[in-house]
Amino acid sequence: EPEVTQTPSHQVTQMGQEVILRCVPISNHLYFYWYRQILGQKVEFLVSFYNNEISEKSEIFDDQFSVERPDGSNFTLKIRSTKLEDSAMYFCASSEARYSNQPQHFGDGTRLSIL
Amino acid sequence: GQQVMQIPQYQHVQEGEDFTTYCNSSTTLSNIQWYKQRPGGHPVFLIQLVKSGEVKKQKRLTFQFGEAKKNSSLHITATQTTDVGTYFCAGKDSNYQLIWGAGTKLIIKP
Repeated sequence: EPEVTQTPSHQVTQMGQEVILRCVPISNHLYFYWYRQILGQKVEFLVSFYNNEISEKSEIFDDQFSVERPDGSNFTLKIRSTKLEDSAMYFCASSEARYSNQPQHFGDGTRLSIL
Repeated sequence: GQQVMQIPQYQHVQEGEDFTTYCNSSTTLSNIQWYKQRPGGHPVFLIQLVKSGEVKKQKRLTFQFGEAKKNSSLHITATQTTDVGTYFCAGKDSNYQLIWGAGTKLIIKP
C-alpha cells in the first residue's frame, strides 16, 4: 500500500537555526498537509497545500514557517529561526481530495528537538 | 474560533470492558472523521461520518454523528489489547479546516 514518507525521523537543531522537514506524499494525491503534535498533546493543523499554493493555514503557521513543493514528489516545511517551543512531532499528510471527502494519510513523522 | 472538545482525556479499562469517547463542537460540522494513533505512531484514519444521525460500525467499533451534527461518539465493545492508543475526532468546519479534538487515550489495565 502506498505510504507517505518523511525524513529525517529525528532532527536535532540549535535554537535560532533553520530546519527543513521533508515529505514525499502518496503519488496520486493532490492535497498536502503539515501537522504538529507536541508530546502527549493534540494534533494541531499547520497548513494545507494544493496546486502549488497554500490553501489554508492556522494561527500557528506564522512568518517563521513556509512550505514548498520544489519538485514533483517532495513537499517541505521550513522553519526559519527555530525556537524551543517548536520542539514537537511534525506530521505530513496527503489526500486525494480536500479533507471533507477523503481520508488523510499520515507519514510516520519527524521528531524535531530544539536545543 | 471553532473548537472540538473531546472527553475524557484518558480512560482506563479492564480488557473486555467497553470504551467510549465523545466529541462536541461549538458549531455545526460538515462531517467528522475519526483517527487512531498507536503509541509512538501516526494518526490512522478510521472512518468519516457525514449525515445527521449517522451510525457506522466497524467490527467492535460503533461511530455516531449527532442529529445536530455537533457531536459524535466512538464506542468500542469488549476492548482488546490491540485497541490501545489515542482516538481523535476531527471535524470539518465551513472553512474546510479539520479541527481536531484533544484525543482520548485508551489504557488497558494489566
